[in-house]
Amino acid sequence: NAGVTQTPKFRVLKTGQSMTLLCAQDMNHEYMYWYRQDPGMGLRLIHYSVGEGTTAKGEVPDGYNVSRLKKQNFLLGLESAAPSQTSVYFCASKWIASTDTQYFGPGTRLTVL
Amino acid sequence: KQEVTQIPAALSVPEGENLVLNCSFTDSAIYNLQWFRQDPGKGLTSLLLIQSSQREQTSGRLNASLDKSSGRSTLYIAASQPGDSATYLCAVSPITGGGNKLTFGTGTQLKVEL
Repeated sequence: NAGVTQTPKFRVLKTGQSMTLLCAQDMNHEYMYWYRQDPGMGLRLIHYSVGEGTTAKGEVPDGYNVSRLKKQNFLLGLESAAPSQTSVYFCASKWIASTDTQYFGPGTRLTVL
Repeated sequence: KQEVTQIPAALSVPEGENLVLNCSFTDSAIYNLQWFRQDPGKGLTSLLLIQSSQREQTSGRLNASLDKSSGRSTLYIAASQPGDSATYLCAVSPITGGGNKLTFGTGTQLKVEL
């Protein structure tokens, strides 16, 4: 099992450009999450999904969109990148039970110039 | 709104020392608490999960406790080793609804020196 994978690992964008981050999991998990991690601020939830075809807003959703067309994939889109979106982005997935742990991907380091 | 705080932000100890990392949260009602480890440039790995109805969990040299009445959790690491050097994050999640979203603390960066 590859677990949770993220593509790409690194990316540099110019302000105003768009891009999509891909998260894939092969554990048949129902729930998937996108977080961003910034120095001194911990991980903050951007969007999440509780099943194929569903999405919901997290703590910091502005400037991002998501889609979960297939159960194993969760896409995070930036329509018009801003320097404030420079961050490390982590994807995670888990089963349904509250006691199931989240499994994290290795992260994507995004720099917006 | 749930807030999670971790103290200290950084800690340096000699190898072999026993140590305690602290985590506090503002809303203790019906939450599970997890401790994660993050190595530099890597994702998070779950260490221990304490269910809302439990008081502690143990795994090897790690022991985590949960005191809901005071809104605190501690992670005890026995006989620390250089391989324990990492950032340790605690997070709380509701047991029902909302996709069991995690609210994270800012972490404690641990360095174990030879």
